[in-house]
Amino acid sequence: EIVMTQSPATLSVSPGERATLSCRASQSVSSNLAWYQQKPGQAPRLLIYGASTRPTGVPARFSGSASGTEFTLTITSLQSEDFAVYYCQQYNDWPRTFGQGTRVEIK
Amino acid sequence: EVQLVESGGELVQPGGSLRLSCAASGFTFSHNEMNWVRQAPGKGLEWVSHISASGGTAYYADSVRGRFTVSRDNAKNSLYVQMHSLRAEDTAVYYCARGALGYCSSTTCYVAFDVWGQGTMVTVSS
Repeated sequence: EIVMTQSPATLSVSPGERATLSCRASQSVSSNLAWYQQKPGQAPRLLIYGASTRPTGVPARFSGSASGTEFTLTITSLQSEDFAVYYCQQYNDWPRTFGQGTRVEIK
Repeated sequence: EVQLVESGGELVQPGGSLRLSCAASGFTFSHNEMNWVRQAPGKGLEWVSHISASGGTAYYADSVRGRFTVSRDNAKNSLYVQMHSLRAEDTAVYYCARGALGYCSSTTCYVAFDVWGQGTMVTVSS
């Protein structure tokens, strides 16, 4: 099973600042990596797929990048609605696995 | 509007069974692979099961293999999961999620989960 490790567990950021979230895969997942956002009481929302592609409707302040088995989600100029929990997920192998999540909170 | 609506969650005793449903609308259901993902209270996301677009292939998490069975009825635009021998650790919100946005090779597809239902709560307790 591919283990996805996210860091940090919690990130405290002021509105308008940049947030950088990390995700490491225990083995290669190619570019088959997605990022999801989840707010309290809501279902997850897809933000990034293919490590760096934004689906239609996702704001441009969300971007993803990759270097080997290290993946990064960057949120530039955090808005109030961006404070949430973010999960990475690999869909390269079975079982599909998620990271444990990074909570982005208001500083 | 593309939509997934889960139903069937309830309180069930340990060892009991339950069947969850997911009704799809707004897209051609038979074209997409589907998944079940669960989230225990206060915890992260756990992928549970996958079924191919045709229903011919299914995969399961080790934690549910042999106890859960995923199925679909493309004529009814519906996804199901039959759960047996339920345990306290199966207590969670269960989401269905569409697999799309990615690419397919000659043998398999690599797709993220682009549409999610609102979830249905399953509580396993005596």
